[in-house]
Amino acid sequence: EAGVTQFPSHSVIEKGQTVTLRCDPISGHDNLYWYRRVMGKEIKFLLHFVKESKQDESGMPNNRFLAERTGGTYSTLKVQPAELEDSGVYFCASQKDRGYGYTFGSGTRLTVV
Amino acid sequence: AQSVTQLDSQVPVFEEAPVELRCNYSSSVSVYLFWYVQYPNQGLQLLLKYLSGSTLVKGINGFEAEFNKSQTSFHLRKPSVHISDTAEYFCAVSDSGGSNYKLTFGKGTLLTVNP
Repeated sequence: EAGVTQFPSHSVIEKGQTVTLRCDPISGHDNLYWYRRVMGKEIKFLLHFVKESKQDESGMPNNRFLAERTGGTYSTLKVQPAELEDSGVYFCASQKDRGYGYTFGSGTRLTVV
Repeated sequence: AQSVTQLDSQVPVFEEAPVELRCNYSSSVSVYLFWYVQYPNQGLQLLLKYLSGSTLVKGINGFEAEFNKSQTSFHLRKPSVHISDTAEYFCAVSDSGGSNYKLTFGKGTLLTVNP
């Protein structure tokens, strides 16, 4: 089966600009997650979709971050406006159901300058 | 709230030596436990997981881990490492019940295998 696809793989933007990250989960996986790793820190949870609904968005840093999951398929994570501290690697993962391991994408490395 | 502590940020070893990467967790509820590996310039790959049953879990690439509930530990071991095992390893936990599926990660352990 195809894995979790994320793009772009890298993005360099200026402070104040907008960036949209995309994640295509494994087909049939209802659960979709976004995580972020800021340099030197642990990987942290951002939010969890079940199909198109946000199950848990307790990890979203602030209202500059907006996540959507259209029709329960792919998901986007928009950062607007981007700040320097938003730099890091953003991982998407999908999961068939609890008890199954997550399948992670390769991540998007976001650099805000 | 849950937390995961990976006791070593870096572990250098020689090829063919055994290795143990340590992980301790804290949780007020029952948990599932995972080890993930990130090879350079790649995403996170599941090495192994503990859901229930036997406390000794075998994973891919010759790795295994043992769940110790009394010590709240889930240490990762390999009897003989290869150069290709050089990577960053992450321990993670999630609730085993309820509606909270998210993973809580440790800070990672960078394993460097030297010839």
